[in-house]
Amino acid sequence: DQQVKQNSPSLSVQEGRISILNCDYTNSMFDYFLWYKKYPAEGPTFLISISSIKDKNEDGRFTVFLNKSAKHLSLHIVPSQPGDSAVYFCAASSSNDYKLSFGAGTTVTVRA
Amino acid sequence: ETGVTQSPTHLIKTRGQQVTLRCSSQSGHNTVSWYQQALGQGPQFIFQYYREEENGRGNFPPRFSGLQFPNYSSELNVNALELDDSALYLCASSLGAPSSGANVLTFGAGSRLTVL
Repeated sequence: DQQVKQNSPSLSVQEGRISILNCDYTNSMFDYFLWYKKYPAEGPTFLISISSIKDKNEDGRFTVFLNKSAKHLSLHIVPSQPGDSAVYFCAASSSNDYKLSFGAGTTVTVRA
Repeated sequence: ETGVTQSPTHLIKTRGQQVTLRCSSQSGHNTVSWYQQALGQGPQFIFQYYREEENGRGNFPPRFSGLQFPNYSSELNVNALELDDSALYLCASSLGAPSSGANVLTFGAGSRLTVL
């Protein structure tokens, strides 16, 4: 069962512009959400997270927005840089659970 | 501090064989989780180990088993390999109570298993 969905497998954006990645979830028990970034031949690395008690969390160029009523979150990267080209995974968990549920990922390509 | 290291990085097996994958957790981390990432999919939780015991398990059959050692390193064993076991196997470590989904995982680069 796919509890976390990333419906856009790829995204191409021009350097300097905003990248917006979307993620939907179905499990209402999820209360913690994370974004991981993965380069080829490397493991996923933690990027940013948000708790369900918030609707926005910002860290430098990265901002995550959470809409609990719609069970939707998004990651904004602004401005996009060539080094941001990677696969981005959305993940979710519940605070009393031990596992992360991941989406299938979105491949971001930043064009110079 | 050293990160999570996994070995081997690539391996090829045939159906019915057995495989052991190894993971050294990040220094100071006491919890290890294993994930399977099939081509075009996100990582799927296999199981987690804490204090040398399996702490939770995903939807994987018993032929997937694991160990955690006193130094917090871990092994993933898969018996009776099937073609669908071909995937990238990711090990992740974390620090703290394993029941908290808020723990940030540190992933290794993975072991790429091909079953022919």
